[in-house]
Amino acid sequence: LAKTTQPISMDSYEGQEVNITCSHNNIATNDYITWYQQFPSQGPRFIIQGYKTKVTNEVASLFIPADRKSSTLSLPRVSLSDTAVYYCLVGDLGGFKTIFGAGTRLFVKA
Amino acid sequence: DVKVTQSSRYLVKRTGEKVFLECVQDMDHENMFWYRQDPGLGLRLIYFSYDVKMKEKGDIPEGYSVSREKKERFSLILESASTNQTSMYLCASCEPVEAKNIQYFGAGTRLSVL
Repeated sequence: LAKTTQPISMDSYEGQEVNITCSHNNIATNDYITWYQQFPSQGPRFIIQGYKTKVTNEVASLFIPADRKSSTLSLPRVSLSDTAVYYCLVGDLGGFKTIFGAGTRLFVKA
Repeated sequence: DVKVTQSSRYLVKRTGEKVFLECVQDMDHENMFWYRQDPGLGLRLIYFSYDVKMKEKGDIPEGYSVSREKKERFSLILESASTNQTSMYLCASCEPVEAKNIQYFGAGTRLSVL
């Protein structure tokens, strides 16, 4: 399983775009990149998933360069309610084991 | 809407007690998971199950066992609770490849072992 490395914490202000980068140097050919969001006292919630290039949904965008050794979660115009821990995961879709790591704690200030 | 329900939000138990944490999902998912979450350590996989009566050890199975008698229910058992098992426990379920292995989590059970 590919190990991921993310910043421990980030601060931002309301209305700004936030980019959280995740390194996964040992990503395998069959691996996908998945991001989850976790609010205090709740379980993680799926945000976005991708394999290469760019994926966008109503919540976020995911940018994956050609070598796939890193990925960037982009949150447009964050609000206070985006304060949460964000986890980057790498694994193949058929795998059962998922490594969550420590995640990135994002704190959005007014 | 997808729903994973954990039987208790908070539990306080004494050292040596046998503890049952229950998890029920209503999505007919085949795969279910138990994690524990501790500050600074993220989520660590304890056990997972890919079918009824099937189970596999995760990364930290010591001190735990699981039971999956029905597809919708996955139980985590602490045979003899210890203080180092004080933690947040999270249950999840997912469908495999067709649904991109996206996991759906319950709200968690915060267990304190005194």
